[in-house]
Amino acid sequence: EDKVVQSPLSLVVHEGDTVTLNCSYEVTNFRSLLWYKQEKKAPTFLFMLTSSGIEKKSGRLSSILDKKELSSILNITATQTGDSAIYLCAVEKTSYDKVIFGPGTSLSVIP
Amino acid sequence: DTAVSQTPKYLVTQMGNDKSIKCEQNLGHDTMYWYKQDSKKFLKIMFSYNNKELIINETVPNRFSPKSPDKAHLNLHINSLELGDSAVYFCASSQYGRGGGQYFGPGTRLTVT
Repeated sequence: EDKVVQSPLSLVVHEGDTVTLNCSYEVTNFRSLLWYKQEKKAPTFLFMLTSSGIEKKSGRLSSILDKKELSSILNITATQTGDSAIYLCAVEKTSYDKVIFGPGTSLSVIP
Repeated sequence: DTAVSQTPKYLVTQMGNDKSIKCEQNLGHDTMYWYKQDSKKFLKIMFSYNNKELIINETVPNRFSPKSPDKAHLNLHINSLELGDSAVYFCASSQYGRGGGQYFGPGTRLTVT
């Protein structure tokens, strides 16, 4: 059965800290790995990763995929209180574009 | 301009009632989805329609019936509501085969009392 696992499930850090969120997967017909940020409402798209070893960056956020280890990490440097959210990792399959979500990592950044 | 919209945003109803949630997207996408997010925040796919055809139908009670009148709309009807149906329901859309994930609507928080 397809599975996406994230760790840690929750994390509390101080502003300015750097955090690393982990995602691992066991999914057939892999197309891409996706990261989303969910604050109070709908998940918003952060990154799509399809190739191993190529870092994607957006401001203080970056992510990389390791297809050999079936995993990905999301790094956030110099965290701010506005980074507090649930970070969802998901894997998109080639079959019917189905997306399997992980349980999310709840990140709280305190001043 | 709202890309994916859902109505209503909040729905409070009693057990046994029947209710509908509507979803519309103006992105020109051909595929739409319904997801359920429970109290533990686990987001799980329920249904997917591509050009009005059902392509993903997960293990969901048959009290849930999606309907897609056209590729810009996907509605969700729920019969005989139960306490366990309380959750946030998200609609999403994408262009089939293009990859890159989906665009989500704002969610409908359903509370069954």
